[in-house]
Amino acid sequence: KNQVEQSPQSLIILEGKNCTLQCNYTVSPFSNLRWYKQDTGRGPVSLTIMTFSENTKSNGRYTATLDADTKQSSLHITASQLSDSASYICVVSAKQGGKLIFGQGTELSVKP
Amino acid sequence: DAGITQSPRHKVTETGTPVTLRCHQTENHRYMYWYRQDPGHGLRLIHYSYGVKDTDKGEVSDGYSVSRSKTEDFLLTLESATSSQTSVYFCAIFGDSNYGYTFGSGTRLTVV
Repeated sequence: KNQVEQSPQSLIILEGKNCTLQCNYTVSPFSNLRWYKQDTGRGPVSLTIMTFSENTKSNGRYTATLDADTKQSSLHITASQLSDSASYICVVSAKQGGKLIFGQGTELSVKP
Repeated sequence: DAGITQSPRHKVTETGTPVTLRCHQTENHRYMYWYRQDPGHGLRLIHYSYGVKDTDKGEVSDGYSVSRSKTEDFLLTLESATSSQTSVYFCAIFGDSNYGYTFGSGTRLTVV
């Protein structure tokens, strides 16, 4: 069964600190993996997208990694800001333009 | 969100009444999707469309129907709303592998 599992479920950190969110998947055949940020009351917004051959992708203070062998991905946030408080969702696509499998998300709260 | 709007943003309706949610895009993309988001679940696909008058079911399609008479509009209808359909509904469009998916801001539907 195609599944995407994220950990932790929620996380509280202090402003300025770094954090890493995890995503494990059992989707096959794998096409790509996306990380989305979802602010409260808004739709998800894409942060990064990685295909099978990519190990790392950065977007400002966000760096995503992918290990296709172990089927794991991480999202590292550097020097967190209050505006980083949101839900971060890992999404795996089974094939080009195909079905998306969503993780349940990690709820990040950045405190001053 | 640029290029995609959902209406209404909020709606409260009574059990047994019909409800229609609208998704409008200005990007001329072929693919459009309806998802629902509930606590404890990732986004789940209700229905999707791959062109005018071309639609198909997702994983949680029971109790929902869709229509796409124009490229820019994708309508989701609850024929007879039930309390289990209380949720936040997101529309999404898909451009290409680089453009990725863009989500609307969501419609919060409460069935009382």
